[in-house]
Amino acid sequence: KAGVTQTPRYLIKTRGQQVTLSCSPISGHRSVSWYQQTPGQGLQFLFEYFSETQRNKGNFPGRFSGRQFSNSRSEMNVSTLELGDSALYLCASSLNLNGDAEAFFGQGTRLTVV
Amino acid sequence: KQEVTQIPAALSVPEGENLVLNCSFTDSAIYNLQWFRQDPGKGLTSLLLIQSSQREQTSGRLNASLDKSSGRSTLYIAASQPGDSATYLCAVRLSGGSNYKLTFGKGTLLTVNP
Repeated sequence: KAGVTQTPRYLIKTRGQQVTLSCSPISGHRSVSWYQQTPGQGLQFLFEYFSETQRNKGNFPGRFSGRQFSNSRSEMNVSTLELGDSALYLCASSLNLNGDAEAFFGQGTRLTVV
Repeated sequence: KQEVTQIPAALSVPEGENLVLNCSFTDSAIYNLQWFRQDPGKGLTSLLLIQSSQREQTSGRLNASLDKSSGRSTLYIAASQPGDSATYLCAVRLSGGSNYKLTFGKGTLLTVNP
């Protein structure tokens, strides 16, 4: 079965612009989480969605937002881009919101802010 | 606050060698621990998931153990191959509360030389 699909794979944006990233979870999975990966900070949790509701949010500024649709697909948006937002953004899907669920990750979207 | 540490940060071994990667975490109240592999510029591939009630999991040449009381996990790779070269990440999912985010270590960069 198809894995987690993230689009686009690569993005180059200018400071001050906004960007929207998309994630399609594994079929049947209802929980989607987003992580930011940078060389200095490693992988950091952004937010988690389940049944179209944001369940948890990490320690990121309000410029980072997201949503989940009824088909479990999720988007994250970053407004007023800064150079420090350059990172690999990874999406993970899980079957449910249970703590014992396994997480499956997509290939990521590489965002470069210039 | 949960902290995850991986030692060593980098490891270089000759092909055929058996090796052990280490992961330690500060809060033993976890649901599970997951080992991932990441190739350069790519997403995360789930290798093994160990639930908190389990002591180990095996998949092919990989064996992961979990000692929750001491806050440690090891990933054993038997008969290493050049194709095993990648960054290996461990992540724990805390129990208690409603935030099931994964907390990651910084990873171990493994190079297997032919």
